[in-house]
Amino acid sequence: ETGVTQSPTHLIKTRGQQVTLRCSSQSGHNTVSWYQQALGQGPQFIFQYYREEENGRGNFPPRFSGLQFPNYSSELNVNALELDDSALYLCASSLPNMNTEAFFGQGTRLTVV
Amino acid sequence: GESVGLHLPTLSVQEGDNSIINCAYSNSASDYFIWYKQESGKGPQFIIDIRSNMDKRQGQRVTVLLNKTVKHLSLQIAATQPGDSAVYFCAERNPNDMRFGAGTRLTVKP
Repeated sequence: ETGVTQSPTHLIKTRGQQVTLRCSSQSGHNTVSWYQQALGQGPQFIFQYYREEENGRGNFPPRFSGLQFPNYSSELNVNALELDDSALYLCASSLPNMNTEAFFGQGTRLTVV
Repeated sequence: GESVGLHLPTLSVQEGDNSIINCAYSNSASDYFIWYKQESGKGPQFIIDIRSNMDKRQGQRVTVLLNKTVKHLSLQIAATQPGDSAVYFCAERNPNDMRFGAGTRLTVKP
């Protein structure tokens, strides 16, 4: 157990809808990052939050957005869902020092139909 | 572009044998690397890490080797067990992101 929890575990949405995924970070970890993992592939970095601000972003369109709250928990929001957004969405928490490990939650499996 | 990649997509070993999983990276400025294990339906699980000022680091049954000259990482698992069957990823942690390779699926045969 890493102490990083994500909700919900599974979700089915219709193309064009919006979705919000949630993540609670491990105690003491103030940096949260989100990843998209398509079937059979490695996780792809979406963005990272530190002290409630985005401080890094991967190659994802603006319809992928996020928030971090004062308690360091985080949300990932995806608007105008597309079929290709179907994936496992992973959240990881860490300390801001890059030379420390990042711990992952179990992920949210999103299916867009 | 710069990337983290793996040499082999699949690896099959006999129970009790040693396993070696390889990873190449292209960013010579990379400073910190992590190996993760991912079982079906679960998030990646931290196995071991290594910083660029080290060549080797050992954990319980696992060893990571870093060759900065050829920008290569390897994960060695001693006495591989059925519970080691999973997909293994190397990851390159940068100040504002973390990049993963595609993964190697390790299958342990009884």
